[in-house]
Amino acid sequence: NAGVTQTPKFQVLKTGQSMTLQCAQDMNHEYMSWYRQDPGMGLRLIHYSVGAGITDQGEVPNGYNVSRSTTEDFPLRLLSAAPSQTSVYFCASSPLKGDLYGYTFGSGTRLTVV
Amino acid sequence: KNQVEQSPQSLIILEGKNCTLQCNYTVSPFSNLRWYKQDTGRGPVSLTIMTFSENTKSNRRYTATLDADTKQSSLHITASQLSDSASYICVVSLPNTGNQFYFGTGTSLTVIP
Repeated sequence: NAGVTQTPKFQVLKTGQSMTLQCAQDMNHEYMSWYRQDPGMGLRLIHYSVGAGITDQGEVPNGYNVSRSTTEDFPLRLLSAAPSQTSVYFCASSPLKGDLYGYTFGSGTRLTVV
Repeated sequence: KNQVEQSPQSLIILEGKNCTLQCNYTVSPFSNLRWYKQDTGRGPVSLTIMTFSENTKSNRRYTATLDADTKQSSLHITASQLSDSASYICVVSLPNTGNQFYFGTGTSLTVIP
């Protein structure tokens, strides 16, 4: 099992550019989420999915889109990058309810928007 | 307002020494409380999980305690090793929500030889 795989590990974007952060898991987990981690702040939930075809917004969804066409993949799209989106992004998955089983996190994508 | 606060913000200890990290929360009600270890450049990894009815949980040299009455938790690290250098994050979850987590900002621990 590879666990949760995120690509790329590092990315630099210019303001206004768009891109997709990839996340894939091979554990057949139903729950998948995207978080951002900023200095001095706890991880904040961007979007999450409880299964293929179902997504919902988290705490800080503005400027991001997600889709869940398969159980394995949960890409995060930045529509028009802004410097405020400079952050480290983590994808996480869990088998059933996250509060019971906890999350498996990917290794993160460090994004810089200039 | 549901919050999770951790202290100290950072800590430096000598290899072999013990240390205790603190977590205070106002999340109510809560389902469980977890401690995660996050190595530099990596995602968080779960160390322990406790429900509101548990007082203590151990995982090798890590022992977590929970006082649900005072809404406090601590993570005690025994005989620290250089590999313990990491950020330790306290996470509290609401019951029956699946994805409602409250993350602390973490304690950065540095173990020096």
